Amino acid sequence: NAGVMQNPRHLVRRRGQEARLRCSPMKGHSHVYWYRQLPEEGLKFMVYLQKENIIDESGMPKERFSAEFPKEGPSILRIQQVVRGDSAAYFCASSPPIIAGGRGEQFFGPGTRLTVL
Amino acid sequence: AQSVTQPDIHITVSEGASLELRCNYSYGATPYLFWYVQSPGQGLQLLLKYFSGDTLVQGIKGFEAEFKRSQSSFNLRKPSVHWSDAAEYFCAVAPSGAGSYQLTFGKGTKLSVIP
Repeated sequence: NAGVMQNPRHLVRRRGQEARLRCSPMKGHSHVYWYRQLPEEGLKFMVYLQKENIIDESGMPKERFSAEFPKEGPSILRIQQVVRGDSAAYFCASSPPIIAGGRGEQFFGPGTRLTVL
Repeated sequence: AQSVTQPDIHITVSEGASLELRCNYSYGATPYLFWYVQSPGQGLQLLLKYFSGDTLVQGIKGFEAEFKRSQSSFNLRKPSVHWSDAAEYFCAVAPSGAGSYQLTFGKGTKLSVIP
């Protein structure tokens, strides 16, 4: 069973360009989470998605950032008009369906390192 | 808001020595607690987790952690470190109620192992 896949692993963009980060969850997992790790910081929650639904985006910056998890295909984290402060490692995690009242373990991908020049 | 402090940025131990990595959290109630490990170029792997019950939790790879409510701590321990344990270790918390999927991580402790 393949783990959580993220691509690209490294992404370089110039200021003002768009960055698209992809995440394929583990087989059978329908929940996806995105986290950001800024330099010298711990991972911070950004967004929680299920297929075709954004469940919680309370950790997403209000502008330029968006996320989707379509019915088919990977989850996408999109950053428009990138700035130097967006340089970070972006991690995706997935979990199986969470039974009501339960706690789903999150399985993490290797991350995408975004560098903005 | 919840927060996690890992006071040691970098720890070096000799192979075979014991290990303790510290983790303190700030949260209004008892949260869910986790330890993850990250090897270079890899994703985070869950070592162990605490939800409730016995405060001494056993995990994979010979690790254990003890939840101490009075100290708001969840320190990770291993009696004898192996060279393959060299990695970065992250402590994380999540609310025990609504939003239990929102993990908050510490900044990590990098472990180096001397042969």
